[in-house]
Amino acid sequence: QKEVEQDPGPLSVPEGAIVSLNCTYSNSAFQYFMWYRQYSRKGPELLMYTYSSGNKEDGRFTAQVDKSSKYISLFIRDSQPSDSATYLCAVLKEGAQKLVFGQGTRLTINP
Amino acid sequence: KAGVTQTPRYLIKTRGQQVTLSCSPISGHRSVSWYQQTPGQGLQFLFEYFSETQRNKGNFPGRFSGRQFSNSRSEMNVSTLELGDSALYLCASSSGSTTDTQYFGPGTRLTVL
Repeated sequence: QKEVEQDPGPLSVPEGAIVSLNCTYSNSAFQYFMWYRQYSRKGPELLMYTYSSGNKEDGRFTAQVDKSSKYISLFIRDSQPSDSATYLCAVLKEGAQKLVFGQGTRLTINP
Repeated sequence: KAGVTQTPRYLIKTRGQQVTLSCSPISGHRSVSWYQQTPGQGLQFLFEYFSETQRNKGNFPGRFSGRQFSNSRSEMNVSTLELGDSALYLCASSSGSTTDTQYFGPGTRLTVL
């Protein structure tokens, strides 16, 4: 079983829709939770970084962490064609630099 | 502030050869981590160097090695290349603290024929 599970999609939605992306993880030692966005032929770029359960909002993006169920989510409001990319969840243990990634979800926003 | 740079961007090698990839971190960052990205396995951690010392290591064979120089630049070496080593190799730099963001470079696309 992988430490982080993420549905690879692909996911295709119309412009303006609310997008929900999700991951589950297996080890309660993971304390830090991230979402990265990766455009084709580019390296991943950090979107959201959270340390605890609850919600964190940044513009059209909201990251949600539920440590009790080991479930993390990313919501994108008013989705734009420029949001089309692969979204990767990642988790980290305290004191470690080893990011453990989900498989990535390929998202397409159709104009 | 310049971002993470990786050279070369693309590389084609044949089985059995060896290859060296280079990563220059963001100025002031002392930690460099290397990751392998493939369609089948996704992004997997190779190793991390901090102040010229390997601090963390993933589950890759000994053919994969690295080093870090006093200016924090890092190199990754793969010896006796196999077809399965074809991948995008990404490096990420950070200050070295767990709570600090890891910034990724554009990657080196390695193709093994």
